[in-house]
Amino acid sequence: GNSVTQMEGPVTLSEEAFLTINCTYTATGYPSLFWYVQYPGEGLQLLLKATKADDKGSNKGFEATYRKETTSFHLEKGSVQVSDSAVYFCALPNQAGTALIFGKGTTLSVSS
Amino acid sequence: GAGVSQSPSNKVTEKGKDVELRCDPISGHTALYWYRQSLGQGLEFLIYFQGNSAPDKSGLPSDRFSAERTGGSVSTLTIQRTQQEDSAVYLCASSLAMDRGYEQYFGPGTRLTVT
Repeated sequence: GNSVTQMEGPVTLSEEAFLTINCTYTATGYPSLFWYVQYPGEGLQLLLKATKADDKGSNKGFEATYRKETTSFHLEKGSVQVSDSAVYFCALPNQAGTALIFGKGTTLSVSS
Repeated sequence: GAGVSQSPSNKVTEKGKDVELRCDPISGHTALYWYRQSLGQGLEFLIYFQGNSAPDKSGLPSDRFSAERTGGSVSTLTIQRTQQEDSAVYLCASSLAMDRGYEQYFGPGTRLTVT
């Protein structure tokens, strides 16, 4: 079945540093891919998505490109801010399309 | 517009008691999902509703767990004879349809603590 592997954290960066959080997947076909974010004390919210190969999802300065050759969907941001401190989850639908499968989450901590 | 809401936000119960968790999805969303988030297990799928029927309940961990949805809207997750391992944050999500491209919108969760 479909699965996702996400780099373990925590990731600790200084403000304005470059961020990459790695995510690779195994899937039948080419499902949509998602990044969700959970800010401290808040619920999960969609950060960005890509629905087909070579698509680039972007939001709030974050980007991720759907790469079928490397089965990857790495999250990047050129210059992180303290407000980006959160837990980030990579996700894709299960094979039946009835649920999302989430990575274990990567905790990002940004200091000023 | 209003997002997904869940109640209660926190629930503390004694081992062996039954609990009911409620989810109000976004109006018009036909698909509804329950997940559980715990430190050791991450985010786990529990059950999926399309309208009032549950075509996928494969994630329910035991027969102590059940869920229903009425009127294509509100859903209730019931845990009978709670155990300490049931302690977790229970998340509800809804989406427009069961389509691989539609994103799911999550509620704030119910934090369940079984003492």
